[in-house]
Amino acid sequence: QVQLVESGGGVVQPGGSLRLSCAASGFTFSTYPMHWVRQAPGKGLEWVAFMSYDGSIKYYADAVKGRFTISKDNSKNTLSLQMNSLRTEDTAVYYCARGSSSEPPSWGQGTLVTVSS
Amino acid sequence: DIQMTQSPSTLSASVGDRLTITCRASQSISSWLAWYQQKPGKAPKLLISKASSLESGVPSRFSGSGSGTEFTLTISSLQPDDFATYYCQQYNPYSPPWTFGQGTKVEIK
Repeated sequence: QVQLVESGGGVVQPGGSLRLSCAASGFTFSTYPMHWVRQAPGKGLEWVAFMSYDGSIKYYADAVKGRFTISKDNSKNTLSLQMNSLRTEDTAVYYCARGSSSEPPSWGQGTLVTVSS
Repeated sequence: DIQMTQSPSTLSASVGDRLTITCRASQSISSWLAWYQQKPGKAPKLLISKASSLESGVPSRFSGSGSGTEFTLTISSLQPDDFATYYCQQYNPYSPPWTFGQGTKVEIK
């Protein structure tokens, strides 16, 4: 079955950097587009970034554009999110999720990022 | 980007009640609409995809309907395990930015 496992979360100071990873299994990772979604404490769900199946197309939410970079290593079945210039408002649980035109979305369990001094 | 407007934001109900949550898209999304249930500290759980397709293992008291811009999630008889927050999501694969409704918290009356 589809499994997505996020890692790399933690506590970082404002202005710092963090790299999140998402290990995928149970499907042919190289043929699926992928997303990052986040949820700030007590808030709703917010889409963050998208990458096409082959890495050729990327989209970002305005709130993270220029600071976050999504990448996809199809040889290692891994999705990553490089987060630079972190702000307190980036504090959230970050989820990776699989997109598809023929199957429903699948989500991981999330990793918590806390930006605090 | 497509905007999703979900209502109500809070719903007070009793066990056995019939509930309806509405989600409206700012433009047509065909049937690319999912509904999730989320409990505190947990990841969202997919209940319904493609507007009306019930996910495996989800109780039949949950149902979804709609297409285009208007969608509803119905719980036919609310059970104690159903008190949670519900989100709609448009996931048009041909227009990648996903968007979510603001959420509906179902509380005990």
